[in-house]
Amino acid sequence: DTGVSQNPRHKITKRGQNVTFRCDPISEHNRLYWYRQTLGQGPEFLTYFQNEAQLEKSRLLSDRFSAERPKGSFSTLEIQRTEQGDSAMYLCASSLGGLAYEQYFGPGTRLTVT
Amino acid sequence: RKEVEQDPGPFNVPEGATVAFNCTYSNSASQSFFWYRQDCRKEPKLLMSVYSSGNEDGRFTAQLNRASQYISLLIRDSKLSDSATYLCVVNLIISGGSYIPTFGRGTSLIVHP
Repeated sequence: DTGVSQNPRHKITKRGQNVTFRCDPISEHNRLYWYRQTLGQGPEFLTYFQNEAQLEKSRLLSDRFSAERPKGSFSTLEIQRTEQGDSAMYLCASSLGGLAYEQYFGPGTRLTVT
Repeated sequence: RKEVEQDPGPFNVPEGATVAFNCTYSNSASQSFFWYRQDCRKEPKLLMSVYSSGNEDGRFTAQLNRASQYISLLIRDSKLSDSATYLCVVNLIISGGSYIPTFGRGTSLIVHP
């Protein structure tokens, strides 16, 4: 399967714990996006990368959220000191080029903070 | 006012009906518009891009009205399999001059026999 993959698919954690999610984009795609989606809402943009450069991170929800894409391939999204309000689906997408290009989404990681 | 707005619906239509959705956006400098489809508990998938001159793909027609700052999606001859949530995406310019992809909350379509 050459689509976007995300791991884990589900994560249950206790409040205050740190969690890290991984996204593997389509191999030739140089753009990688992270979104959060809650029930009844569209995906909410968090950040994106062009290769290893993080081009926009002003929409990360707080300083507890950080993302990396160290070698321009896979990316990780970390949430420190999780809160119950962080419970959501975290989606990753990749695209071949800039914002005019179609984004291909992964299946998401569903986070539940208890 | 939200940056990208959609009527959440649901739009409940019989098979064969024609249905139209609109999506309004707040910033006239926005670029690159898309419609995505999201099935329940699945990831969004591109339905179609929206070009300035309007574009059609089979039963689906997308249009852009820059003057009134909205995009539209028209579905003709609705099928049961069209039941899904339709998300519009607008690349909005934000402070600092960056563009970010901004999704509406989605419009739910239910096609019944």
